[in-house]
Amino acid sequence: GAVVSQHPSWVICKSGTSVKIECRSLDFQATTMFWYRQFPKQSLMLMATSNEGSKATYEQGVEKDKFLINHASLTLSTLTVTSAHPEDSSFYICSARGRDGLFFGPGTRLTVL
Amino acid sequence: GNSVTQMEGPVTLSEEAFLTINCTYTATGYPSLFWYVQYPGEGLQLLLKATKADDKGSNKGFEATYRKETTSFHLEKGSVQVSDSAVYFCALTKAPAAGNKLTFGGGTRVLVKP
Repeated sequence: GAVVSQHPSWVICKSGTSVKIECRSLDFQATTMFWYRQFPKQSLMLMATSNEGSKATYEQGVEKDKFLINHASLTLSTLTVTSAHPEDSSFYICSARGRDGLFFGPGTRLTVL
Repeated sequence: GNSVTQMEGPVTLSEEAFLTINCTYTATGYPSLFWYVQYPGEGLQLLLKATKADDKGSNKGFEATYRKETTSFHLEKGSVQVSDSAVYFCALTKAPAAGNKLTFGGGTRVLVKP
């Protein structure tokens, strides 16, 4: 089946720094990618919808200047957490929509110290 | 807005036991309903789905029936295996207009012991 990868799988950073997370569709083209955030023991919350070549659409309450999303190609979307703070620590998951359906990456655990 | 509520875990079972995970939803119109499974260290995978009332989704011995009258989509499996240990997510979408924009429940961790 289709594979979606995320890199890194986990990252620890200092408060105030920026962190970039990559989401790649390895064997299919994804016109749309979704970014989710998952808190411990809680649901996945949709952050934004990313369409290739256009600006991302953010969900209500998500700061677009803090969570920068770029979908520069049909196989890559990036999420950059700018000026990270401890409250940004979370599990970030992407999903990619291809011709055969919707596929999820394994997630990236971000810890901000 | 749309929401999904599922039973909290963890659910601990012995092998060959019967598994039920309750899921109810709130949505306008006729959403599509899904169950996703997340095995340790892996991404979410679609387990089964149903797109209209009274549809039954099934896969790998799991079943769920779309009950509009009770706004439920409970997941069941008659005889679980250790390999079924995972986190299970109930979800809905107002597709196709929503374009696969999913609303998830909180997830239920299932642990099957030999």
